[in-house]
Amino acid sequence: GAGVSQSPSNKVTEKGKDVELRCDPISGHTALYWYRQSLGQGLEFLIYFQGNSAPDKSGLPSDRFSAERTGGSVSTLTIQRTQQEDSAVYLCASSLRGGGAMYEQYFGPGTRLTVT
Amino acid sequence: QKEVEQNSGPLSVPEGAIASLNCTYSDRVSQSFFWYRQYSGKSPELIMSIYSNGDKEDGRFTAQLNKASQYVSLLIRDSQPSDSATYLCAVNSGAGKSTFGDGTTLTVKP
Repeated sequence: GAGVSQSPSNKVTEKGKDVELRCDPISGHTALYWYRQSLGQGLEFLIYFQGNSAPDKSGLPSDRFSAERTGGSVSTLTIQRTQQEDSAVYLCASSLRGGGAMYEQYFGPGTRLTVT
Repeated sequence: QKEVEQNSGPLSVPEGAIASLNCTYSDRVSQSFFWYRQYSGKSPELIMSIYSNGDKEDGRFTAQLNKASQYVSLLIRDSQPSDSATYLCAVNSGAGKSTFGDGTTLTVKP
């Protein structure tokens, strides 16, 4: 079946512009996660959705970052007034449910964001 | 202390050898443990999950869990150059979010 998809695959934007990154999880997966990975670094957790609600937003680095999920499916991560330090690969993952064996996460291919 | 710690490596083994990757975690109530493989420039890929103490084998991969010692490991037998990647350990304590280690980079030399 189809995996997690993300768009765009690459995004180059000017400092100060807003960007929207999209994630389409695996069908039937109720949990959705956003991560950020800078070059050569580990995964940085941003936000977790269970259904349409976000019980854990603790990783969002500033109020310039926001995310929403509608219909329990597609999620959008929005970065306002982008800064050069926002340059990274943004990864989305989904899992079947938020409990037990259902925590297995499947990752999308990522969006590489470059802020010039 | 980080919640999930891995040897940063790099770890280098000859082709055909056993590669041993280690991970320790701090939350004693952790329930679910995962190993992901990430090739350079690619996204992480789930390779093993383990939930009970002991060993779990899948092909050339064996995951080992010791909850008393708060330790989980991944053994790769008959290592191949195609196993060269960064391996991420992830731990879940039942709160929805998994915590990832920073990864161990493995190089298998032909």
